[in-house]
Amino acid sequence: GAVVSQHPSWVICKSGTSVKIECRSLDFQATTMFWYRQFPKQSLMLMATSNEGSKATYEQGVEKDKFLINHASLTLSTLTVTSAHPEDSSFYICSARGTGFTDTQYFGPGTRLTVL
Amino acid sequence: DAKTTQPPSMDCAEGRAANLPCNHSTISGNEYVYWYRQIHSQGPQYIIHGLKNNETNEMASLIITEDRKSSTLILPHATLRDTAVYYCIVCSSYDKVIFGPGTSLSVIP
Repeated sequence: GAVVSQHPSWVICKSGTSVKIECRSLDFQATTMFWYRQFPKQSLMLMATSNEGSKATYEQGVEKDKFLINHASLTLSTLTVTSAHPEDSSFYICSARGTGFTDTQYFGPGTRLTVL
Repeated sequence: DAKTTQPPSMDCAEGRAANLPCNHSTISGNEYVYWYRQIHSQGPQYIIHGLKNNETNEMASLIITEDRKSSTLILPHATLRDTAVYYCIVCSSYDKVIFGPGTSLSVIP
């Protein structure tokens, strides 16, 4: 149990375009979802926290207008990177937390974004 | 900021126990000790967590000192597939997971 999926697993886009990444909790309801970013040889950095039906809370230094997060249901959150630039190229990872035995954060497999 | 201190790297011989230490001297009463690992280019994998008692599951054992200021993750029989970065994290069950640099464990044949 406690499986989190992400789609796509990798994406290449041109500079200036927008990219949407989906995060799904497959076998539990996620009351809270988190989005992280990881650059090569670095640790994961938390970008934002979202609760179902509420606006996301962004960490300091993360542009909310650039990284749009939607958590419309208890099993789906999306991250949209708007007007992507090469410096946005990174490994984006989501995690989900439910209640009960799933109140631990479980992580998705990650999405590799490359902006040309 | 991460609330834990871990050695940056460790080696372990295949088949031997891997003991990964973690210091968390400022842990508060409602905070758990969580361990995750990240194999290259994958999302972090949950391993185990505990509050104050020692815990064991099919992957590992977690030993927490009585004062809760440090803990050790034990992989009883390390395999090459256990080569990964291991993260020790302290947080409450309703808080967000903040990652430090972790310990890069290399299992050597």
